Amino acid sequence: GAGVSQSPSNKVTEKGKDVELRCDPISGHTALYWYRQSLGQGLEFLIYFQGNSAPDKSGLPSDRFSAERTGGSVSTLTIQRTQQEDSAVYLCASVYRGAAFFGQGTRLTVV
Amino acid sequence: KNQVEQSPQSLIILEGKNCTLQCNYTVSPFSNLRWYKQDTGRGPVSLTIMTFSENTKSNGRYTATLDADTKQSSLHITASQLSDSASYICVVGESTFGDGTTLTVKP
Repeated sequence: GAGVSQSPSNKVTEKGKDVELRCDPISGHTALYWYRQSLGQGLEFLIYFQGNSAPDKSGLPSDRFSAERTGGSVSTLTIQRTQQEDSAVYLCASVYRGAAFFGQGTRLTVV
Repeated sequence: KNQVEQSPQSLIILEGKNCTLQCNYTVSPFSNLRWYKQDTGRGPVSLTIMTFSENTKSNGRYTATLDADTKQSSLHITASQLSDSASYICVVGESTFGDGTTLTVKP
């Protein structure tokens, strides 16, 4: 596609449920990042994938968060047993030659 | 601790005026510094990217400067337009973000 695509664009879930967020990066971009942006807050790094290397998971806030990147392309961010503090916009970015291209984000609301 | 600090936190200017946003960082090692514009409800869009050896880069009415010695960067917006109203985020490397400056341009 022409840009980074994220789905769903909005997700409302009940506390305690699991959610899965999807990111389709730009074809050919080997680096992919997940970030979280809480209301009124800055962007928070979550996880980084680079090619076939082991991902940098240093930004994941708890073990309820995990992410995968299959075939070096599509990535999914999974949040288990969601909590209200997980409510945020989750942004995915694919990177090529130092330039990051962001998706529109998934707005997650945990009620 | 790697940090990026932006100032001011928010800024209101009249249409047509110029403004300058500041970014100070304490990130090591330094790879690059980027400025992003984020409209409300949208993902960030890259404005400029600078490496260690670059001290200025322009993108239309946006001009970014970098002083690697003092670890400071600025984003200058010339002849502001209503559509410039957004958050402007300074990022050093891939994972150290400032909290952003919220710019409001009024007619």
